[in-house]
Amino acid sequence: SQQGEEDPQALSIQEGENATMNCSYKTSINNLQWYRQNSGRGLVHLILIRSNEREKHSGRLRVTLDTSKKSSSLLITASRAADTASYFCATANNAGNMLTFGGGTRLMVKP
Amino acid sequence: EAGVTQSPTHLIKTRGQQATLRCSPISGHTSVYWYQQALGLGLQFLLWYDEGEERNRGNFPPRFSGRQFPNYSSELNVNALELEDSALYLCASSLKGVYTEAFFGQGTRLTVV
Repeated sequence: SQQGEEDPQALSIQEGENATMNCSYKTSINNLQWYRQNSGRGLVHLILIRSNEREKHSGRLRVTLDTSKKSSSLLITASRAADTASYFCATANNAGNMLTFGGGTRLMVKP
Repeated sequence: EAGVTQSPTHLIKTRGQQATLRCSPISGHTSVYWYQQALGLGLQFLLWYDEGEERNRGNFPPRFSGRQFPNYSSELNVNALELEDSALYLCASSLKGVYTEAFFGQGTRLTVV
């Protein structure tokens, strides 16, 4: 079963708008990571946030983590057509022997 | 610096045959992960190798196996192929297991006919 579940499964927005994706998980974690996948190819790492962190930024990306609610969100500001991709969250367990991916959010940014 | 490389890019096999997929991690990375991604779905964890040892495996039958070589490259073997094994197989490497980011290869598209 999936540890992380993304919401929504699909999101369509206009260029320039913000996109927010959410991830929920079930068990305690060491860290949570966000990845992007273009057209069924390899995944690209975006951000890693540790369990003792609440927020991280990287360029137009902002990630929050709420361990009490076992949830995380990824915000992409001022979206571009090139942001069109699938976005996955992945949770690393405390035992350090598993990195589990969710089902992903398919984001389409229309020019 | 070279990224994670996987070979072959595409592989077509007949049901019942064996498939061998290969992965070379980023230089200096000792952890190698294997994932299966069926069309349009998320990533299912297959295997994790670190320092030459199998550290964990996902909920897959024993016909999915692999190994990690002394140079940290890795091989995934799938025996007795079934039609539902058709998927994109992704390999990733990291510096310190799950505590650091994983870098993915472009995957091997396995088609079983």
